[in-house]
Amino acid sequence: DTAVSQTPKYLVTQMGNDKSIKCEQNLGHDTMYWYKQDSKKFLKIMFSYNNKELIINETVPNRFSPKSPDKAHLNLHINSLELGDSAVYFCASSQARLAGAYNEQFFGPGTRLTVL
Amino acid sequence: SQKIEQNSEALNIQEGKTATLTCNYTNYSPAYLQWYRQDPGRGPVFLLLIRENEKEKRKERLKVTFDTTLKQSLFHITASQPADSATYLCALGSGGSYIPTFGRGTSLIVHP
Repeated sequence: DTAVSQTPKYLVTQMGNDKSIKCEQNLGHDTMYWYKQDSKKFLKIMFSYNNKELIINETVPNRFSPKSPDKAHLNLHINSLELGDSAVYFCASSQARLAGAYNEQFFGPGTRLTVL
Repeated sequence: SQKIEQNSEALNIQEGKTATLTCNYTNYSPAYLQWYRQDPGRGPVFLLLIRENEKEKRKERLKVTFDTTLKQSLFHITASQPADSATYLCALGSGGSYIPTFGRGTSLIVHP
């Protein structure tokens, strides 16, 4: 069974379009995340979300928005796509957010987004 | 500013040798440090965690050291195999934030 799954695996779209990436985890975790991995391989946190709190990396444009229909899902919606949005996007989850906890991250397989 | 540095150049070693990867950091007071493995086209996979009060951790052929004075972690793979070829990422977490911050990773290539 896949622990963290994402769809689609590849997404090619035109500038200006709106797209969504879906993520589901079956680990029973309380916290989910979205990361962006750019061409230089840096893995940067975009959002962290549990049922009580959304933490947004202040560098993320407001064209990006996470949407969570329930604890097992955290989708990423992107408005007005730009060329610079091309990257690999990873969903991840971890156990309940606790201050000082050690938060092993479980990652999905990634979605390669290409904006033309 | 906070920095996590991992060698950007690939590490090439022969099968059977010990691979040693380095993670240096500045302007951090990490509560813990994690190491992940990432294969091409896949998400990172957690390998090991070491806490700030621990000097060394082992798991099978893997060993991690953590020197908070030098602000450095070393990741060792003993008796390396071609299947160990991948990119290895370190990630630091502070007590005030539960979200680890990742380095860019170092590519390891083990030659048969």
